[in-house]
Amino acid sequence: LAKTTQPISMDSYEGQEVNITCSHNNIATNDYITWYQQFPSQGPRFIIQGYKTKVTNEVASLFIPADRKSSTLSLPRVSLSDTAVYYCLVGAIPISNFGNEKLTFGTGTRLTIIP
Amino acid sequence: NAGVTQTPKFRVLKTGQSMTLLCAQDMNHEYMYWYRQDPGMGLRLIHYSVGEGTTAKGEVPDGYNVSRLKKQNFLLGLESAAPSQTSVYFCASTTIQGTGSPYEQYFGPGTRLTVT
Repeated sequence: LAKTTQPISMDSYEGQEVNITCSHNNIATNDYITWYQQFPSQGPRFIIQGYKTKVTNEVASLFIPADRKSSTLSLPRVSLSDTAVYYCLVGAIPISNFGNEKLTFGTGTRLTIIP
Repeated sequence: NAGVTQTPKFRVLKTGQSMTLLCAQDMNHEYMYWYRQDPGMGLRLIHYSVGEGTTAKGEVPDGYNVSRLKKQNFLLGLESAAPSQTSVYFCASTTIQGTGSPYEQYFGPGTRLTVT
């Protein structure tokens, strides 16, 4: 299993850009990197996913270096509503090899946005 | 469109009792998952299913059984509950894109289970 390591917590002020890094040294060739956001008493919610280089959507960017051993989630101009736990997930669905699914969530980064 | 729903939302069991958690999705997704989340921990995969009638073990399957008799439902059973199974249980579903990527999982609101 590709284990992931993230900072336990981070604080940031409103309006700033926040970067959260996830380390996944044992990432496999077929693995993708996915980030989820979780608010208290709710299930995780998908933010962004990538395989290599850079991916951007309307809420975040994901930077993946060439060796893919880490990834950085970038949240532009954060607000108080971005206070949540952010999880890095590394894994793949081997469609042709059912029963061998490996999805590993990290312990998450608790992001607190300060007014 | 309710997405992913879980029943019940809360439950307290005594050690040795049994129960079944129900997950239902109305998005016609092929894949369904059961995770557990302990305080201060990430999510750990218990069991999953890639379609009706199929199930497979995840990272922490011991003490749990699952069934997928209908495409929209995924049941998680505890035959003899233990205090170590006190946790929040999340169900998720997703659809096949055929590329091998884990794609977007849709999560339910969770079931908070306490075993005394």
